[in-house]
Amino acid sequence: AQSVTQLGSHVSVSEGALVLLRCNYSSSVPPYLFWYVQYPNQGLQLLLKYTTGATLVKGINGFEAEFKKSETSFHLTKPSAHMSDAAEYFCAVGGNEKLTFGTGTRLTIIP
Amino acid sequence: GAVVSQHPSRVICKSGTSVKIECRSLDFQATTMFWYRQFPKKSLMLMATSNEGSKATYEQGVEKDKFLINHASLTLSTLTVTSAHPEDSSFYICSAIRQGIKETQYFGPGTRLLVL
Repeated sequence: AQSVTQLGSHVSVSEGALVLLRCNYSSSVPPYLFWYVQYPNQGLQLLLKYTTGATLVKGINGFEAEFKKSETSFHLTKPSAHMSDAAEYFCAVGGNEKLTFGTGTRLTIIP
Repeated sequence: GAVVSQHPSRVICKSGTSVKIECRSLDFQATTMFWYRQFPKKSLMLMATSNEGSKATYEQGVEKDKFLINHASLTLSTLTVTSAHPEDSSFYICSAIRQGIKETQYFGPGTRLLVL
């Protein structure tokens, strides 16, 4: 069985500040981990993914995430927030084609 | 690459009618497609897994006679909401897995269904 916990349903950061969105997972098999972004009334866009290999993964729009097995975490970060980063972010865990999603974190950017 | 489209993007229908939603992989062949439902300000709930040429596999609690899924080709899956009721109003999103890269799902833009 797999599950995902996203701490903080809402996160607000100032423009230019560090973005940190937290994700913890549980999985009985080696996990594949994903971050997706959703803009209003749109589908999900893949930001980045971890499957195997390097634990620090870089994605689009300046985001990156680090897989920490000992902490069962896959937190998403961006050094400097931009207004266009305002959206809903979903962490997901997979491993057998199916994905299990977290409940999402709404990121608000303060001008 | 890896573009998935959905049609229509938005549909309004009367209670009791049926609505068909199409999901297409535009630039790749999709061995498997998934259908999700998303309630307002909620996460995605997997409804069913659709494999080309075979019957869909439904998640527990999803009525297969109400949500008919047909995966007729490697680029098209359809979801038909039969005898729709207001409680079926939701945002429906499909995703597809391309051949050879089965760990990554590519999502369509979603279809907003409103049943009056």
